[in-house]
Amino acid sequence: QSALTQEASVSGTVGQKVTLSCTGSSNNIGSYAVGWYQQISHGAPKTVMFGNSLPSGIPDRFSGSKSGNTASLTISGLQPEDEADYYCSTWDYRLSGQVFGGGTKLTVL
Amino acid sequence: EMQLVESGGAVVQPGGSLRLSCAASGFSFDDYAMHWVRQAPGKGLEWISVISWDGGRTYYADSVKGRFSVSRDNSKNSLYLQMNSLRLEDTAFYYCAKTTVGGYSDVSDIWGQGTMVTVSS
Repeated sequence: QSALTQEASVSGTVGQKVTLSCTGSSNNIGSYAVGWYQQISHGAPKTVMFGNSLPSGIPDRFSGSKSGNTASLTISGLQPEDEADYYCSTWDYRLSGQVFGGGTKLTVL
Repeated sequence: EMQLVESGGAVVQPGGSLRLSCAASGFSFDDYAMHWVRQAPGKGLEWISVISWDGGRTYYADSVKGRFSVSRDNSKNSLYLQMNSLRLEDTAFYYCAKTTVGGYSDVSDIWGQGTMVTVSS
């Protein structure tokens, strides 16, 4: 059981806008910035968003937001290369450790 | 270019020990806390440990507390993970990751390519 809850799977067509969610609590998402990581075919994770910041080299169709204890990653204009597993994470002050969501498998139809 | 390269993964018997290394380049290593994260085959990402920029603060997941120890040598731009009393369930790819702003509670922006640890008899 992950401390952060993500959809198991999400799908969309090329060009569509999709939103992935990550729900936690006031101990974690409500208090700290959230990171989003893309993992393609079980390769090394790549950060696609941290807080509201887009890492260098990540296309601006990726955006992030947070409301209360839920963070969201939105991909506007979905591309075939966006098909991957996406994980969210943040710090949890009660656990004194970083927590991850279980991951969302994004399929581009 | 900021880069992290892990090494030291191997096949080890249950109860054995292993030391992983992570070599950093392209950024001021001693300005940043560093995480270790692992991924068992077919599973999701699991946070293991974090060490502050100066090594003064360390935190561990309950699953490895008392068995794993994180350290760093800022003069060598290197991060380490000493793994003792290894169990079958420690089998995973192990990644080191740089924190975004530098604090131990920050998320990660740069990841290594990972090193595989297999615990098997």
